[in-house]
Amino acid sequence: GQSLEQPSEVTAVEGAIVQINCTYQTSGFYGLSWYQQHDGGAPTFLSYNALDGLEETGRFSSFLSRSDSYGYLLLQELQMKDSASYFCAVSSASKIIFGSGTRLSIRP
Amino acid sequence: GAGVSQSPSNKVTEKGKDVELRCDPISGHTALYWYRQSLGQGLEFLIYFQGNSAPDKSGLPSDRFSAERTGGSVSTLTIQRTQQEDSAVYLCASSTSNRDFTDTQYFGPGTRLTVL
Repeated sequence: GQSLEQPSEVTAVEGAIVQINCTYQTSGFYGLSWYQQHDGGAPTFLSYNALDGLEETGRFSSFLSRSDSYGYLLLQELQMKDSASYFCAVSSASKIIFGSGTRLSIRP
Repeated sequence: GAGVSQSPSNKVTEKGKDVELRCDPISGHTALYWYRQSLGQGLEFLIYFQGNSAPDKSGLPSDRFSAERTGGSVSTLTIQRTQQEDSAVYLCASSTSNRDFTDTQYFGPGTRLTVL
């Protein structure tokens, strides 16, 4: 079967750092993506990893270890506007599968 | 230019009726995707088009669901004989191409379907 696991909820403090993990089991793998979705809004693309290692884009970084079938999204200098749901997604040859999402709540 | 647009934004229908959902992708994007998202859930991939062709329709939940794309642009998702479990937000996305789903997808605002 194919599945992605990520925590359902994470709470962090404004200005802090938070890491959202994603583990996957899929038949065929091309890359791991991360999307952000605010309540009532559409998903927006954050990052994509096809190779092992860390990709950095501003305050957000994404990591992939293909041998461990594991990745994470790292958010630094958290701002209140970062409160949203974050989805990891695995791409394969014929489809893309999304995790159930991690709801990130940020406290002042 | 304009982003992905979808219509209608909201649709309320009675069980057993047919509904048609429309997606206008970003101009020039050859790949188009349909997803379904139930309340508080992740995205469920339904189908994608490369140009006017849908290589794999196995993600469609049942034979009541069909999709087409014409002119390499607008796509419609049709649900026949709607059931209450079809209630969800239907999201459309497009990308410049579809290299094994690795290209960035740009999402539309979605159509919220409610089946009474």
